[in-house]
Amino acid sequence: EVQLVESGGGLIQPGGSLRLSCAASGFTVSSNYMSWVRQAPGKGLEWVSVIYSGGSTYYADSVKGRFTISRDNSKNTLYLQMNSLRAEDTAVYYCARTIAAQMDVWGKGTTVTVSS
Amino acid sequence: DIQMTQSPSSLSASVGDRVTITCRASQSISSYLNWYQQKPGKAPKLLIYAASSLQSGVPSRFSGSGSGTDFTLTISSLQPEDFATYYCQQSYSTPQNSFGQGTKLEIK
Repeated sequence: EVQLVESGGGLIQPGGSLRLSCAASGFTVSSNYMSWVRQAPGKGLEWVSVIYSGGSTYYADSVKGRFTISRDNSKNTLYLQMNSLRAEDTAVYYCARTIAAQMDVWGKGTTVTVSS
Repeated sequence: DIQMTQSPSSLSASVGDRVTITCRASQSISSYLNWYQQKPGKAPKLLIYAASSLQSGVPSRFSGSGSGTDFTLTISSLQPEDFATYYCQQSYSTPQNSFGQGTKLEIK
């Protein structure tokens, strides 16, 4: 079964760091484009970052320079390293397999709360 | 940046109704438009890609149309499980794939 499972969310103080993980099963992360999308409480969807199968990475302007997307091929896992966290980064973070820019498989999400 | 605007923002309808949701892009995006359904507390689900192609496993009562700047998602006969929030997403300016603000479909 094709599946994505996120983990690593939690409560973190402003300025802190957190690393999210997204474990894949049923397909190979490194052979696909993989995205992170977030949703602030009561708000819509916001694209955050993508890593291409070739390794190129891209970020939304709102997180550029603070977040880093990566993958571990041996673990078939996607990551999002989040540094210098702000209150406005509070959201549910989803990972998604991305094929031709449409996101066809999503995880259930992990919640990040940035608050003192 | 390409801005995506959905209308209406919310909609009340009854089971069996035909419903249309509109998405407008701030510039032409050809047919690079996807539609997602999201239920409360759940992840989004891909319904339509490339403006009019039905994702595998999605009921045929869902359909998409349009090209350029104007797109529609139509549900031909609303079922109880269709009450959710719907988002459009442009995939023209990859990788900056922006979403619309969402349309909440509620039971009348």
